[in-house]
Amino acid sequence: QKEVEQNSGPLSVPEGAIASLNCTYSDRGSQSFFWYRQYSGKSPELIMSIYSNGDKEDGRFTAQLNKASQYVSLLIRDSQPSDSATYLCAVSMEYGNKLVFGAGTILRVKS
Amino acid sequence: GAVVSQHPSRVICKSGTSVKIECRSLDFQATTMFWYRQFPKQSLMLMATSNEGSKATYEQGVEKDKFLINHASLTLSTLTVTSAHPEDSSFYICSARGGSGGWWEQFFGPGTRLTVL
Repeated sequence: QKEVEQNSGPLSVPEGAIASLNCTYSDRGSQSFFWYRQYSGKSPELIMSIYSNGDKEDGRFTAQLNKASQYVSLLIRDSQPSDSATYLCAVSMEYGNKLVFGAGTILRVKS
Repeated sequence: GAVVSQHPSRVICKSGTSVKIECRSLDFQATTMFWYRQFPKQSLMLMATSNEGSKATYEQGVEKDKFLINHASLTLSTLTVTSAHPEDSSFYICSARGGSGGWWEQFFGPGTRLTVL
C-alpha cells in the first residue's frame, strides 16, 4: 500500500502569517502531486498541482516539490480566516492515474 | 472550467433499498471518473475507477456487486449502492479527470451524503 503522510494538526497561525503544510510520500516512482482544500462537510477543491522539482506559485499559494527527499509542501502567504480548512496532499504514480490521499492537515487561521 | 456535479446531494433510505448517485462533468468530457468514500474525520478512500464504455476497476476490499458503477457516456457516471445497510452510510464523492487544467487533474463533485436507516 502506497503511503502519503501528513501531520494531522491542527496547525494554528495568526491572520496574515505564512502557513506551511508538509507531506511525504513513500513511492519514489510517484509522478504527480496535488494539494486539495476541504471545508467541513464539503468535497475537496483543487488548489495546486506540481509535477517537477522546485517551486510553483499561484497567487498566495506556493507548492514545493523535492522528489529526492520525497517531500512536497504548500505555503500559504497572508493567511486569512477563510483559509481555515483541511488540506489534503494527494499523490499519483502516473499522470492521470488514481490518487492516494494523505489524512489531511487541519489549518486554523486566527483573526 | 472544470465543473462536476452530483445528484442527489443528500439521501436517506431504509436498510435493504438501493440508491443511485449520478456524477456529471458539465463543461468537459471525462474519459475517466473516480468514486471515493469518506467517513467522518477520515480521508478519502478510492472505491473504483470508471472508464467510459468499459467495466469499472474496483479497489481491493470494495464489493463490485454491491457498488455498481456505470460510465455510459463521457459526461455521466453512476454509482448504485445495492441493498444498502447502515454501515454504508458515508459521504460519497466522485471526481472527473480533465478540464482546463490538464487531463491529469481530478476535479471533485460536491458529494452525496448517504444515510441508511
